[in-house]
Amino acid sequence: QAQLVQSGAEVKKPGASVKVSCKASGYTFTHYYMHWVRQAPGQGLEWMGTIDPSDGNTRYAQKLQGRVTMTRDTSTSTIYMEVSSLRSEDTAMYYCATRGGSSYSYAMDVWGQGTTVTVSS
Amino acid sequence: QSALTQPPSASGSPGQSVTISCTGTSSDVGGYNYVSWYQHHPGKAPKLMIYEVSKRPSGVPDRFSGSKSGNTASLTVSGLQAEDEADYYCNSYAGSNVWVFGGGTKMTVL
Repeated sequence: QAQLVQSGAEVKKPGASVKVSCKASGYTFTHYYMHWVRQAPGQGLEWMGTIDPSDGNTRYAQKLQGRVTMTRDTSTSTIYMEVSSLRSEDTAMYYCATRGGSSYSYAMDVWGQGTTVTVSS
Repeated sequence: QSALTQPPSASGSPGQSVTISCTGTSSDVGGYNYVSWYQHHPGKAPKLMIYEVSKRPSGVPDRFSGSKSGNTASLTVSGLQAEDEADYYCNSYAGSNVWVFGGGTKMTVL
């Protein structure tokens, strides 16, 4: 059973950086792209970017280019998402998601439990 | 990378059918048969309801169906039930390893 487990809630000051982790289990980690999706309070879901765990290649949403970095550690089947120069607008629930071994092409079938990031002075 | 356009709200009585639209461009919805739909209850992780425009994952009731015409995809919920009350988001692959979500539709069961 594919599962994604994320790190705990974070509180950061404006201008700081935050790094959230997402550990995968129950499927072959390197076989499926993984995504980061966020939802700010009262807003919709926003695709932030994707990482190919097999080679670390990434693609980020244009809006976040230059402030977001996604990496992976194949030895622990974990991906990381770091956002720098945090602003109040980055306050959100952050999710990792993947197809996770399913045949549901280009969809996100398995989701982490979410990590709350609060940016406040 | 503009968000796909969804109506902010939709509603129906139990047993009725409701359809939610999702409009994009020829670069996303119209260009690929990789539209998916997600159901999102507050405080929980989103749930995949439809993938590849019209396919249902295992365990999703056949009351949920999807379709696409040109640059607009649609999700239809038939035989509306109280537990269908949630936010629904469309998502489309947009090429070059880019995905885009719709703005979301709040479904209310009257």
